[in-house]
Amino acid sequence: GQNIDQPTEMTATEGAIVQINCTYQTSGFNGLFWYQQHAGEAPTFLSYNVLDGLEEKGRFSSFLSRSKGYSYLLLKELQMKDSASYLCAALDSNYQLIWGAGTKLIIKP
Amino acid sequence: DTAVSQTPKYLVTQMGNDKSIKCEQNLGHDTMYWYKQDSKKFLKIMFSYNNKELIINETVPNRFSPKSPDKAHLNLHINSLELGDSAVYFCASSQGEVAVEQYFGPGTRLTVT
Repeated sequence: GQNIDQPTEMTATEGAIVQINCTYQTSGFNGLFWYQQHAGEAPTFLSYNVLDGLEEKGRFSSFLSRSKGYSYLLLKELQMKDSASYLCAALDSNYQLIWGAGTKLIIKP
Repeated sequence: DTAVSQTPKYLVTQMGNDKSIKCEQNLGHDTMYWYKQDSKKFLKIMFSYNNKELIINETVPNRFSPKSPDKAHLNLHINSLELGDSAVYFCASSQGEVAVEQYFGPGTRLTVT
């Protein structure tokens, strides 16, 4: 079956760096997305990777290894507003998005 | 200028009732989606419409029916509501048939009592 695994919850300190991992098993693969979702709000797009390697976008970077079925989201210079859930989603061979349950990130001062 | 809007934001109703949730997008996108997010925060796709044609229909009960009067609207109608239908329902849209970057509406929190 198709599956996305990511940690349920992580805690980090303001100003620090945190890495949120995601492993995926899908029938075919057409890319991986990261979305941010603040409590009580809608998910918003952060990144899309389809090729191996690191994509940097400001304080956020996303990495993909297709051979390992693995991705991570790296958040630098953490701010309190980064407290949110981070959803990993993989696009399968039918171009359907398979979503993970999300990682709740708690930022402490 | 809300890109994807949903109404209502909150919906509290009793078991057995029929209700609708409306969704509109002003982005000119081709494809619209309905997702259900349960208490465990899993986002489960329910339907997607491309140019008024249903292109994904996951194994959801037939009590749920999507209705798309035009490319900018995708409404969700639910018959005979059950307790297990309580969740947050998100509408989303994207350009093209492929599920590239999706823009989500603010969500509708449905509570069935």
